Amino acid sequence: AQTVTQSQPEMSVQEAETVTLSCTYDTSENNYYLFWYKQPPSRQMILVIRQEAYKQQNATENRFSVNFQKAAKSFSLKISDSQLGDTAMYFCAFYNTNAGKSTFGDGTTLTVKP
Amino acid sequence: SAVISQKPSRDICQRGTSLTIQCQVDSQVTMMFWYRQQPGQSLTLIATANQGSEATYESGFVIDKFPISRPNLTFSTLTVSNMSPEDSSIYLCSVSGGRTTGELFFGEGSRLTVL
Repeated sequence: AQTVTQSQPEMSVQEAETVTLSCTYDTSENNYYLFWYKQPPSRQMILVIRQEAYKQQNATENRFSVNFQKAAKSFSLKISDSQLGDTAMYFCAFYNTNAGKSTFGDGTTLTVKP
Repeated sequence: SAVISQKPSRDICQRGTSLTIQCQVDSQVTMMFWYRQQPGQSLTLIATANQGSEATYESGFVIDKFPISRPNLTFSTLTVSNMSPEDSSIYLCSVSGGRTTGELFFGEGSRLTVL
């Protein structure tokens, strides 16, 4: 079974600053994907960024980038130039390709302050 | 991508009653997932609903408590039976963007409060 750990229940950042959210996971699988999802207050969950485990290059989506360290089983999310709309709960998720299921971390509540 | 509609968006229910949540997807999908998210917590997978077969339940969840229907490739229902206050949660319907990619698309959730 997989486990996903987000060690930061809450974080805050000033608008326009950079913040990094941590995520570690444990698995014996070789074929998997990692995701960061964003759940704004009272709104639906959406995908932020995806990383294929077989790719060494870190994924980037505009202001969002990851630091994927496969050997260390670490998958952190960096948000640059933080905006007020980034305020949300962020979930790290592990997708087991063989089982076809996702496992979610406990989430990090990020508050961007003006 | 997929657009997912859930009904009801929220409800207040009495202990001992049952409530059915509907999930409609704008495209045909093979697998639909039902998650529970207790207040301020993570998502826990309840079951996977496949069209034409029985739902597959995760450990700790049983069909008698959470019966699921999947009559076609765009629709599913989850019933929360004989509710207690511990069932107060957000229930999320989700579909996969593809087994090889694992990306999930979510509905807006159904927030249930059981008194």
